[in-house]
Amino acid sequence: GAVVSQHPSWVICKSGTSVKIECRSLDFQATTMFWYRQFPKQSLMLMATSNEGSKATYEQGVEKDKFLINHASLTLSTLTVTSAHPEDSSFYICSASEGASGNQPQHFGDGTRLSIL
Amino acid sequence: GQNIDQPTEMTATEGAIVQINCTYQTSGFNGLFWYQQHAGEAPTFLSYNVLDGLEEKGRFSSFLSRSKGYSYLLLKELQMKDSASYLCAVKDSNYQLIWGAGTKLIIKP
Repeated sequence: GAVVSQHPSWVICKSGTSVKIECRSLDFQATTMFWYRQFPKQSLMLMATSNEGSKATYEQGVEKDKFLINHASLTLSTLTVTSAHPEDSSFYICSASEGASGNQPQHFGDGTRLSIL
Repeated sequence: GQNIDQPTEMTATEGAIVQINCTYQTSGFNGLFWYQQHAGEAPTFLSYNVLDGLEEKGRFSSFLSRSKGYSYLLLKELQMKDSASYLCAVKDSNYQLIWGAGTKLIIKP
């Protein structure tokens, strides 16, 4: 089946640091990748939709200059949390689908747990 | 607006059957998905329904009624490892996935 790899799994860093998270589709080409954030005991929140070769579409309330997304190839999208602060601590999860058609599920990476001290 | 409703939490006994309901109101419909998410982990895909009826996959089955905007996930022969959150999600007319808040299922021995 479709496999999505996300790296790193855990990040602990000081306030003000920028953190880059990678999301790769290992055995399929992903025209579209999605970035989610999930706070403890809360539901998934879509942050942005990343399309290969074009600018990401951000959800309302998500700062595009704070969360930089690059989707340079059909198998790789990156999310950079710039100048991270403690309130950015969360579980970040990427997903990818093989196409936009109805029956294509999103396959998720294992997530990145980000802790900003 | 777009809305997906599912119960916040359910409790069931090991070996029993449980049905998790999901109702939706979305702008268009291009399929309904069920995902399982264990605590601290990412969601994993369980099932997909786009036509009315029941889709069976081992111990898990998913049902859809488009006219009622309703789906359920049926879990049989419950095991302790089935303790997780179950997320219902619908693709709207723009193929955007709208997520429910999830149902936390607690399995007791």
